[in-house]
Amino acid sequence: SQTIHQWPATLVQPVGSPLSLECTVEGTSNPNLYWYRQAAGRGLQLLFYSVGIGQISSEVPQNLSASRPQDRQFILSSKKLLLSDSGFYLCAWSVYGYGYTFGSGTRLTVV
Amino acid sequence: GQQVMQIPQYQHVQEGEDFTTYCNSSTTLSNIQWYKQRPGGHPVFLIQLVKSGEVKKQKRLTFQFGEAKKNSSLHITATQTTDVGTYFCAGYVDNFGNEKLTFGTGTRLTIIP
Repeated sequence: SQTIHQWPATLVQPVGSPLSLECTVEGTSNPNLYWYRQAAGRGLQLLFYSVGIGQISSEVPQNLSASRPQDRQFILSSKKLLLSDSGFYLCAWSVYGYGYTFGSGTRLTVV
Repeated sequence: GQQVMQIPQYQHVQEGEDFTTYCNSSTTLSNIQWYKQRPGGHPVFLIQLVKSGEVKKQKRLTFQFGEAKKNSSLHITATQTTDVGTYFCAGYVDNFGNEKLTFGTGTRLTIIP
């Protein structure tokens, strides 16, 4: 069966520090992968999505970047965090036309 | 760009009452999906509707896709405390090869015991 792993669950980082969040999927090949951010009590904001290795589409131009070094690995990064980067970061995978499976998320607090 | 709006934004109901959330898209959708996010959790896929006018049921939940494929609704009969959470609709714009869903704004349901 397919599973998605996302870590860490919570993270507190100082302003200006770098960020690396990792997401891996098991049990499927060539999935579409997504990074979403959710502010407290708000909706889902799509940040990046990828349909294949090395293929990244950016939805929101910010100080964040994403990479897909392997078929089932998706990484969200930042060189210097801002206070506004705080939020709940969710990774998801899908095959077109089917439902998304979300990871358990990372709660990031930038202080 | 495409927008998917949901109403109401918040709904507080007495346990046992019914609940409905409505989803409206500015463009035609190839399908509509519904997700539930429990407080503190991540969104979980509930169901997908594809056909115009389609109605599907999951126990106390009834999902409907509009005839024009631009709106949808989720109705919960006799709410229970386990129904607490935020319900999101999401859809693919009706064009081939669109790889990403557009999520609605969500409806947060709270239950008064």
